Amino acid sequence: ETGVTQSPTHLIKTRGQQVTLRCSSQSGHNTVSWYQQALGQGPQFIFQYYREEENGRGNFPPRFSGLQFPNYSSELNVNALELDDSALYLCASSPGQGISTDTQYFGPGTRLTVL
Amino acid sequence: AQSVTQLGSHVSVSEGALVLLRCNYSSSVPPYLFWYVQYPNQGLQLLLKYTSAATLVKGINGFEAEFKKSETSFHLTKPSAHMSDAAEYFCAVSDSSYKLIFGSGTRLLVRP
Repeated sequence: ETGVTQSPTHLIKTRGQQVTLRCSSQSGHNTVSWYQQALGQGPQFIFQYYREEENGRGNFPPRFSGLQFPNYSSELNVNALELDDSALYLCASSPGQGISTDTQYFGPGTRLTVL
Repeated sequence: AQSVTQLGSHVSVSEGALVLLRCNYSSSVPPYLFWYVQYPNQGLQLLLKYTSAATLVKGINGFEAEFKKSETSFHLTKPSAHMSDAAEYFCAVSDSSYKLIFGSGTRLLVRP
């Protein structure tokens, strides 16, 4: 049990729609990262937020965006959904400013299916 | 750019046998290395991490890993497999800033 929660657990959308995924970090964790895990693959880094500012971004298009709120919650928004967006989306929180030795604590994920 | 290679997408062992999951990394800077485990329909749980202290790192559930710079490896071992160890295991490297770069994972099967 990491103390990181995500909602919803599962979601089905159709191509072209928009989706919002939510994450609640551990209390006191100022950094949240989002990852996309396609079936049979390792997680891929989408972006990271530190104290409500984007702190770094992976190789994902701008239709992937995020928000982080002062109450340790965060959102991942994906516009214009494509079939390839079907994946497990994981959020992870960490206590520091995303420095590389910090342990990231992962939530259980949201499984998104795009039809 | 950093990368991680996990040799063997599936590894099968008998209960009580040695577990060896292989991980090789590529990094232009001193790496920080992690092993995570993922049980079905769950998120990732940290097993252990190497952050440039001792090269032999002990983790949870009896797992350990040894950092070998000359071989650019960070293999995960456990002396005696248990049925509850069946899961997917991911090796990851952290670059000099903030993100984790994961390998493609190794699914461990434990035979009774």
